[in-house]
Amino acid sequence: NAGVTQTPKFQVLKTGQSMTLQCAQDMNHEYMSWYRQDPGMGLRLIHYSVGAGITDQGEVPNGYNVSRSTTEDFPLRLLSAAPSQTSVYFCASSYSTAVNEKLFFGSGTQLSVL
Amino acid sequence: AQSVAQPEDQVNVAEGNPLTVKCTYSVSGNPYLFWYVQYPNRGLQFLLKYITGDNLVKGSYGFEAEFNKSQTSFHLKKPSALVSDSALYFCAVREYNTDKLIFGTGTRLQVFP
Repeated sequence: NAGVTQTPKFQVLKTGQSMTLQCAQDMNHEYMSWYRQDPGMGLRLIHYSVGAGITDQGEVPNGYNVSRSTTEDFPLRLLSAAPSQTSVYFCASSYSTAVNEKLFFGSGTQLSVL
Repeated sequence: AQSVAQPEDQVNVAEGNPLTVKCTYSVSGNPYLFWYVQYPNRGLQFLLKYITGDNLVKGSYGFEAEFNKSQTSFHLKKPSALVSDSALYFCAVREYNTDKLIFGTGTRLQVFP
């Protein structure tokens, strides 16, 4: 089982460049989300989706866009990268939006913006 | 708004000794609480959860957590630490009427031989 797959694993961008972080899950999960992990800040929710065609903002959505055209995929777009977006990004999914559902995490994308 | 606090950046414990990693929470309704663990260069893995029922919850790898409503705490415990338990531990909370799982800042557990 592949689970939650994130690509790329590492990326270096210049300020102002755009890119898309890919996330795919093969578990038919309804719920998908993006977090960023920064030292001393823990994990902060960027955007999430409760199903295909439905997305919503998390704690730190500015500078990021998402879409959910299929159940499997939930890409995260950086429109104009800034050094403040240097971070490790994690995609996570769960079977449903029920409160007791656990999250399955991808292995992360380490992004550096110069 | 819901929030969770992990007051210790790092916890050091000798192998074989009991360990406790602290977590306190703030929600307006009933809390749904989780612990996750992150090993180096890996994504987070689910350890255990509290929804309702017994205040002592048992999870993976011999870990357990104690829910205390009066102290709004959900501390992670293990009777006998292993060197392989060394990792970053995250507490998380969710409110019933939201779709958001909010994480704490994490506590690094270091178990020394």
